[in-house]
Amino acid sequence: DTGVSQDPRHKITKRGQNVTFRCDPISEHNRLYWYRQTLGQGPEFLTYFQNEAQLEKSRLLSDRFSAERPKGSFSTLEIQRTEQGDSAMYLCASSLTSGRKNIQYFGAGTRLSVL
Amino acid sequence: AQSVTQLDSQVPVFEEAPVELRCNYSSSVSVYLFWYVQYPNQGLQLLLKYLSGSTLVKGINGFEAEFNKSQTSFHLRKPSVHISDTAEYFCAVSERTGTASKLTFGTGTRLQVTL
Repeated sequence: DTGVSQDPRHKITKRGQNVTFRCDPISEHNRLYWYRQTLGQGPEFLTYFQNEAQLEKSRLLSDRFSAERPKGSFSTLEIQRTEQGDSAMYLCASSLTSGRKNIQYFGAGTRLSVL
Repeated sequence: AQSVTQLDSQVPVFEEAPVELRCNYSSSVSVYLFWYVQYPNQGLQLLLKYLSGSTLVKGINGFEAEFNKSQTSFHLRKPSVHISDTAEYFCAVSERTGTASKLTFGTGTRLQVTL
């Protein structure tokens, strides 16, 4: 059973460029989450999917951010016109809903540096 | 809405000494409780969880935590720490009711174990 996989692990980009991150959840997990973690802080929720449906988006997710999970398997998070404030670790997690329990398993994250 | 407070940003401790990392939460609904550990440049690993039943839960690596509903606390303990326990520890909650499943994290406690 492989864990949650994220790619790339590190991304350096110039301000104004677009970036896209990929997350492959644990197989058969129907929920997928994106979080953002800035230095010295805990992760903050961005959005989550149940299968291919995006069910909740945080106010942190500005219109420059878009996430997709087209076939209910892997997900992508795109940031358009990156800003220096977007520099952070982007974490993906997945879970298998069983009743209302929700145990989330995290990937290693993608660290974004915007110059 | 929920919030999580981790009262100590850093906890220095000698190897083989006991340790307690404190976590208090606030929520208008019942919650599930979690502790995650994060090693440098890595994602989050689930240490333990409280879903229901016994208020004393045991996790991996010899850690345990006790849920105290009246004090809205979920403190993490280990009777004897090892150098390898040096890491960042995050307490998190998610709603027990409804469909909301996002995790709300505290700001983390850095556990520094020295010889």
